[in-house]
Amino acid sequence: NAGVTQTPKFRVLKTGQSMTLLCAQDMNHEYMYWYRQDPGMGLRLIHYSVGEGTTAKGEVPDGYNVSRLKKQNFLLGLESAAPSQTSVYFCASSYSGGPNEKLFFGSGTQLSVL
Amino acid sequence: AQKVTQAQTEISVVEKEDVTLDCVYETRDTTYYLFWYKQPPSGELVFLIRRNSFDEQNEISGRYSWNFQKSTSSFNFTITASQVVDSAVYFCALSEAWTGNQFYFGTGTSLTVIP
Repeated sequence: NAGVTQTPKFRVLKTGQSMTLLCAQDMNHEYMYWYRQDPGMGLRLIHYSVGEGTTAKGEVPDGYNVSRLKKQNFLLGLESAAPSQTSVYFCASSYSGGPNEKLFFGSGTQLSVL
Repeated sequence: AQKVTQAQTEISVVEKEDVTLDCVYETRDTTYYLFWYKQPPSGELVFLIRRNSFDEQNEISGRYSWNFQKSTSSFNFTITASQVVDSAVYFCALSEAWTGNQFYFGTGTSLTVIP
């Protein structure tokens, strides 16, 4: 029962470095999401995908890129990390993306940018 | 404007006390859905409950109960006889039929249950 798996769990970057966060789900869900969680801000949507090969911007997309080459994987990239991107990142998925569907979350990635 | 407001940032209660977590939402849509998620110290958010805008019946699940009131745009969550395992951050969330897959999360309420 893996559900939604995120790697890595922790990462420290220097300003300007790049990295990719990987999210994998084994529930055959169509929709996948990347959120960031910051103190006092709740969860904010970065990008999402409605299916393999498609992506869309969320509320705070600047500085991030995503790809969904396979249905089960959703990658979040930081090309040139900035201290403002220090956050906890959560991946989530849902079966068909309806507004009434519950989200399944990964355990998060804590990213620090120095 | 914040669509979901959780005014209580942190709450501490002693074990076995009852506690209510407040959630106030804002929407112009007539069809919408409200959710509560629990984020334990392990970090992963876990779904607790979902309510649609046409169903104002309160729900009880064990020690958990939810009070949905459209008149006050509130969807409050009560834990009865709290336990240490209830210590977590709780998020309220809203989704609207017309925006589809956009979920609006509140800022969360951190609950600490003291043994």
